[in-house]
Amino acid sequence: DAGVIQSPRHEVTEMGQEVTLRCKPISGHDYLFWYRQTMMRGLELLIYFNNNVPIDDSGMPEDRFSAKMPNASFSTLKIQPSEPRDSAVYFCASSFRAAGTDTQYFGPGTRLTVL
Amino acid sequence: AQSVTQLDSHVSVSEGTPVLLRCNYSSSYSPSLFWYVQHPNKGLQLLLKYTSAATLVKGINGFEAEFKKSETSFHLTKPSAHMSDAAEYFCVVSDETGGYQKVTFGTGTKLQVIP
Repeated sequence: DAGVIQSPRHEVTEMGQEVTLRCKPISGHDYLFWYRQTMMRGLELLIYFNNNVPIDDSGMPEDRFSAKMPNASFSTLKIQPSEPRDSAVYFCASSFRAAGTDTQYFGPGTRLTVL
Repeated sequence: AQSVTQLDSHVSVSEGTPVLLRCNYSSSYSPSLFWYVQHPNKGLQLLLKYTSAATLVKGINGFEAEFKKSETSFHLTKPSAHMSDAAEYFCVVSDETGGYQKVTFGTGTKLQVIP
């Protein structure tokens, strides 16, 4: 398996623009997680899905952020409108069972820079 | 309440000497505990995990950790550091809170290995 795939790897955009980050989980994994990593706040869980259904989105910072999982092999994290404070590395991870009992496999991340 | 504290933000050791990265956790339930490693510009990779089986857990690359419930600790150790161990290490606690799986990452410990 190719592992968790994220695209793009790098994104530079201007404030106010819409940004869409994409993730393809490992085939057969039924949990998908979105994280954000910054120097100031460390690694934060934004949202996670089980069988394509959002379970906990309490980590989503505000309404500008939205995440979808239309099918088992694809998820998006959208920021609209983007702001400079959204600059971070965004990771997607997937696991076969719930995070409490099984390993999360992380993608390489998308480095987002908002100017 | 769930939390995890990594007691050192930076640790520096000489190659060939022991490594100790400290982690304390708080959880209202029986937690699962993980250590992940992140090399520069890479995603996170699982080193080892504890999920209520043996309290001494062995992971990859010679790392191990001991779950000590009385001390609420899950320190990561390695007998002899290698240059390739230089990376950032994250302690993670996971449990079920209010019917949801909740995951909290520590703030990370950067390990420097001096030749």
